[in-house]
Amino acid sequence: GAGVSQSPSNKVTEKGKDVELRCDPISGHTALYWYRQSLGQGLEFLIYFQGNSAPDKSGLPSDRFSAERTGGSVSTLTIQRTQQEDSAVYLCASSLVQGAFPAEAFFGQGTRLTVV
Amino acid sequence: AQTVTQSQPEMSVQEAETVTLSCTYDTSESDYYLFWYKQPPSRQMILVIRQEAYKQQNATENRFSVNFQKAAKSFSLKISDSQLGDAAMYFCAYTKETSGSRLTFGEGTQLTVNP
Repeated sequence: GAGVSQSPSNKVTEKGKDVELRCDPISGHTALYWYRQSLGQGLEFLIYFQGNSAPDKSGLPSDRFSAERTGGSVSTLTIQRTQQEDSAVYLCASSLVQGAFPAEAFFGQGTRLTVV
Repeated sequence: AQTVTQSQPEMSVQEAETVTLSCTYDTSESDYYLFWYKQPPSRQMILVIRQEAYKQQNATENRFSVNFQKAAKSFSLKISDSQLGDAAMYFCAYTKETSGSRLTFGEGTQLTVNP
């Protein structure tokens, strides 16, 4: 596609349920990032994938959060046993890492997760 | 750890006027990169402008320009001839790596443009 695509756009789930959020990056982009944006807050880094390297998981807030990137393309962020504090917008971004300047990160429109 | 601070939660400007959004950051690195992103109600973050720390010249993109003060660790965004479409949340962001890594974001400034 022309841009980063995230699905679903909105998700309402019951507390304690598991959810999966999907991100389709721009074709050919080697780097993929997940961020979390709580209401009225800035973006909080969650995880970063770069090519075949081990992902940087240092931003994941708890072991209930995990992410994978299959075939160097699509990524899924999974939240197990959701809690109300997980309610936020989850944004995905991708970039083409090359050269000596950080490439522009292109963002999707995010998934708004509401845990009730 | 790097931190980015935006001290203005909200700003407003009259259409066609100029507004400046403030950003300060804290880092021990000498080489790094700074960005301003715009987030309209659609939620999609859009890159407005970027600055390399090693460049003394301030970046400019059409009506958008920055005032980068490295010693003061300040990176403000000036929007000239403000348009209704400029209304959005603006985020200042920092990264120290060229190889792709996390962006550290400020808390954001909500800009309102009054007709």
